[in-house]
Amino acid sequence: SAVISQKPSRDICQRGTSLTIQCQVDSQVTMMFWYRQQPGQSLTLIATANQGSEATYESGFVIDKFPISRPNLTFSTLTVSNMSPEDSSIYLCSVETTGRVGELFFGEGSRLTVL
Amino acid sequence: AQKITQTQPGMFVQEKEAVTLDCTYDTSDQSYGLFWYKQPSSGEMIFLIYQGSYDEQNATEGRYSLNFQKARKSANLVISASQLGDSAMYFCAMREGRNYGQNFVFGPGTRLSVLP
Repeated sequence: SAVISQKPSRDICQRGTSLTIQCQVDSQVTMMFWYRQQPGQSLTLIATANQGSEATYESGFVIDKFPISRPNLTFSTLTVSNMSPEDSSIYLCSVETTGRVGELFFGEGSRLTVL
Repeated sequence: AQKITQTQPGMFVQEKEAVTLDCTYDTSDQSYGLFWYKQPSSGEMIFLIYQGSYDEQNATEGRYSLNFQKARKSANLVISASQLGDSAMYFCAMREGRNYGQNFVFGPGTRLSVLP
């Protein structure tokens, strides 16, 4: 299993500002994943954070809006840029285990509210 | 087309009773994995149980069991002896193949409420 810490756990932000979410894992992992969960919705993958290269974004998500850093194998950040109320969501960092099951472990999530 | 369908937006169950949460999936892959996660109101996602497409027996983890019917492409979660702490959102998810997490797809979820 992996222990994943996310900061901030929640925040209230003003429209037009940007916020950076940090994700720290207690072990080295090859890939880290960022998910968004809009209110009352399921999880949607934003991007895969690769160490040493640019993140891989899913359809509908772009680097200008959600820049991601991955400076080493235990840490990643996701920035939500130029926020609007539609960005109000839970943002979750996750990693895949390397065992037989390969389930995703998640951080506690960062609950953002944009006014 | 939806890859994961959970037809029950909300379910109620009496404490100590068993409850089944439905999940059907769609894939043409022969190798895939099915997962159930619990999300309490606090927001974290908690892994509950896994079923591999080649596993012949239904998975069990404590009070959780997975009713896997491969021909019908269903993977229902059964929670026995419900507890008040089981009240949460439950998500069924699928990973196709054995590649990385970008192949995880989550269903829309079922909100379970356990009544005292």
